[in-house]
Amino acid sequence: GENVEQHPSTLSVQEGDSAVIKCTYSDSASNYFPWYKQELGKGPQLIIDIRSNVGEKKDQRIAVTLNKTAKHFSLHITETQPEDSAVYFCAASVDQFYFGTGTSLTVIP
Amino acid sequence: GAVVSQHPSRVICKSGTSVKIECRSLDFQATTMFWYRQFPKKSLMLMATSNEGSKATYEQGVEKDKFLINHASLTLSTLTVTSAHPEDSSFYICSARRLAGAPAESTDTQYFGPGTRLTVL
Repeated sequence: GENVEQHPSTLSVQEGDSAVIKCTYSDSASNYFPWYKQELGKGPQLIIDIRSNVGEKKDQRIAVTLNKTAKHFSLHITETQPEDSAVYFCAASVDQFYFGTGTSLTVIP
Repeated sequence: GAVVSQHPSRVICKSGTSVKIECRSLDFQATTMFWYRQFPKKSLMLMATSNEGSKATYEQGVEKDKFLINHASLTLSTLTVTSAHPEDSSFYICSARRLAGAPAESTDTQYFGPGTRLTVL
């Protein structure tokens, strides 16, 4: 089955700096890669996603890149703000989702 | 659009009782709903996949007789934890995937509910 690894597990950045979270996957059949933000005590919220026929996607301060050959994809958050502090999960999917282990992001004011 | 609700948000029950958690897609029809369990500071663990009108598919190690799933309509799935014990205490989250063929929106994406915190005393 699919195996998704996510790094780093924790990340602290100064407000205004950029944050990068990386995920690798093992199953070349995976074709959909969403990213979720989860705040404490709440359900995950989709923040951006990318499909295997696209290499990069951007939505304001958030971008995702995908390298199918290397089987890795990354989340980039620019101009970070304190409200970006949360746990971020990547996932790889053909049908069901396989989640990464999560990254706890802290943005220091 | 794509709002998923869960009820209750928190529940405390005594050991041996059963608890029902509802998951509803509020503004779309969901062909498939998923039930996850999440331990503190851990990732989401898929418990089962349910399709409207058919039996749920459980992941390995998940007891189907303990975690009863019903997906009676395209907007409602329920998870019943039967004879709950303290080790069943956890954060249970559902997600829903749009009906295939829904226009202008992805049918790959799972939209998550806010979760239900279950505490079994």
